[in-house]
Amino acid sequence: QLQLQESGPGLVKPSETLSLTCTVSGGSISSSSYYWGWIRQPPGKGLEWIGSIYYSGSTYYNPSLKSRVTISVDTSKNQFSLKLSSVTAADTAVYYCARHGTTAQAFDIWGQGTMVTVSS
Amino acid sequence: DIQMTQSPSSLSASVGDRVTITCRASQSISSYLNWYQQKPGKAPKLLIYAASSLQSGVPSRFSGSGSGTDFTLTISSLQPEDFATYYCQQSYSTPPSFGQGTKLEIK
Repeated sequence: QLQLQESGPGLVKPSETLSLTCTVSGGSISSSSYYWGWIRQPPGKGLEWIGSIYYSGSTYYNPSLKSRVTISVDTSKNQFSLKLSSVTAADTAVYYCARHGTTAQAFDIWGQGTMVTVSS
Repeated sequence: DIQMTQSPSSLSASVGDRVTITCRASQSISSYLNWYQQKPGKAPKLLIYAASSLQSGVPSRFSGSGSGTDFTLTISSLQPEDFATYYCQQSYSTPPSFGQGTKLEIK
């Protein structure tokens, strides 16, 4: 069945750029029925949607993070990626990648999550 | 942005109890409401989508209802594996937003 797996550095310095990749296995990222998104969860806190991308490269972002976020897709590798620039301690969180439908943003398949700490 | 407010924030219950969690949206979201279960150290799991549709593989003791601004998640008979944190999420408008969570604990 379809699985998502996040990868990337677990420690990022303040003011630098956080970069994560989500690898999709057991299915194609090029499905016309789905978007692929990033969601984060600070320790002990709730969930925040960061942004989503379609296989064509069409993106939409949370306005609260839009100025710092870039999400891209590589269909040849069945991967999509997140870049978050100018990070601070407030960006410390577990970062999840997840799939949602094109008609409604119900996140039905999630990666296991990866903890990213922003610290010098 | 649409604000989602859950109540209660925490809840103690016993195995076999019927439990209801409430989610209120700051404006009407029709039936664009989803429910998730999250266990410690794990990713959230989709339980209910479109307010009342049960996600494939989710036990029938979970049910959802509501429309407009007020929604409920009901667990008809709590099982030991149901003790977790539950989140609602609106998918009516961008950005999709989540409630603050309801932690369901064993009494």
